[in-house]
Amino acid sequence: GAGVSQSPSNKVTEKGKDVELRCDPISGHTALYWYRQSLGQGLEFLIYFQGNSAPDKSGLPSDRFSAERTGGSVSTLTIQRTQQEDSAVYLCASSPQAGGNTGELFFGEGSRLTVL
Amino acid sequence: DAKTTQPPSMDCAEGRAANLPCNHSTISGNEYVYWYRQIHSQGPQYIIHGLKNNETNEMASLIITEDRKSSTLILPHATLRDTAVYYCIGLNSNSGYALNFGKGTSLLVTP
Repeated sequence: GAGVSQSPSNKVTEKGKDVELRCDPISGHTALYWYRQSLGQGLEFLIYFQGNSAPDKSGLPSDRFSAERTGGSVSTLTIQRTQQEDSAVYLCASSPQAGGNTGELFFGEGSRLTVL
Repeated sequence: DAKTTQPPSMDCAEGRAANLPCNHSTISGNEYVYWYRQIHSQGPQYIIHGLKNNETNEMASLIITEDRKSSTLILPHATLRDTAVYYCIGLNSNSGYALNFGKGTSLLVTP
């Protein structure tokens, strides 16, 4: 498809398990973002990738969270030893270039994570 | 990036213009004002952005005050499908990327 694709759309896991969330950005987009949205809240920035530069991980809430982007395209967000407070919708977005004054973000539909 | 303030909720009758305000009194000279919206259970969608001049596209118009301390997003003929949370975001073109979404304005368009 032409848009940002995320999988799985829904994930239910048990506390303490690891989960992986995948994002396929729009082809050719060099910038990729992960956000988290808890129920009834705004979006919380997690991590940002731009081309081959080192990612900005400043938004990751703990060392249980990590993300990688292979080949400048697909990204995987990994949450280790999940906790109930990790339950949220995880949104991925891509952009043709860094946000700045000409960029706009294209968001996927999100991956809804429920930790029991 | 500028802190933005929006009313938590607004109502608008279908077919009427929806005017969504945003205060950004701390905005700096090179910070753009971006608007996104999020329809229930979907990812946010870019609407429009501007710096100083008023902007218009197929979705909406953006009116920025001369002192740039506030702006208004206008949906000229609101439809039921425009019911969504609307986010106003200040973004520094140099720092770039980490758009900070607040809680936005929940717009309800009624029949």
